[in-house]
Amino acid sequence: DTAVSQTPKYLVTQMGNDKSIKCEQNLGHDTMYWYKQDSKKFLKIMFSYNNKELIINETVPNRFSPKSPDKAHLNLHINSLELGDSAVYFCASSQDRFRGTEAFFGQGTRLTVV
Amino acid sequence: GDSVTQMEGPVTLSEEAFLTINCTYTATGYPSLFWYVQYPGEGLQLLLKATKADDKGSNKGFEATYRKETTSFHLEKGSVQVSDSAVYFCALRRAQGGSQGNLIFGKGTKLSVKP
Repeated sequence: DTAVSQTPKYLVTQMGNDKSIKCEQNLGHDTMYWYKQDSKKFLKIMFSYNNKELIINETVPNRFSPKSPDKAHLNLHINSLELGDSAVYFCASSQDRFRGTEAFFGQGTRLTVV
Repeated sequence: GDSVTQMEGPVTLSEEAFLTINCTYTATGYPSLFWYVQYPGEGLQLLLKATKADDKGSNKGFEATYRKETTSFHLEKGSVQVSDSAVYFCALRRAQGGSQGNLIFGKGTKLSVKP
């Protein structure tokens, strides 16, 4: 059983389109995240959700909107895609947000905007 | 703000060589420290962690010791294998609300092990 699964694994789309990436975790965790990994492998937190409530929204363009229908799911919707949005997007979850808790990551979604 | 600094890569070693990847951090209080590994085309996997000063995390022959006096958490392995080729990330987390509870990652260090 995959603990954190995201779909699709690859996404190629044109500038200006709107797309969504889905994420599900079957670990019973309370907290879920979206990270963006750029071409240099740098990981940056985008959003953090705890029990379906947005905890932090880092300085991400408002074209990106997370949606959490329940605590096992955290989807990422992106409007008006731009070339600079091309990256690998990782979903992750953790039991909570306390210091000793590790995060479990999905396989990533490689988004290419052409 | 909190930050993690890792040695620049890529690191290229021969099989059975000794590995050290340096990691230092800046954070208020007492964060927990983690090493994650990312194999090509995959997501990140937890390699090891330490939650208080002088703790040693270990897994799969890798070790790292939480050194508060030097704010470091260097990753070591005595004898690397080709299968260890991957990108390694050092990370920290504080037990605070808001953004301070997030995992903060270093920039990653790519390791290549040659037969």
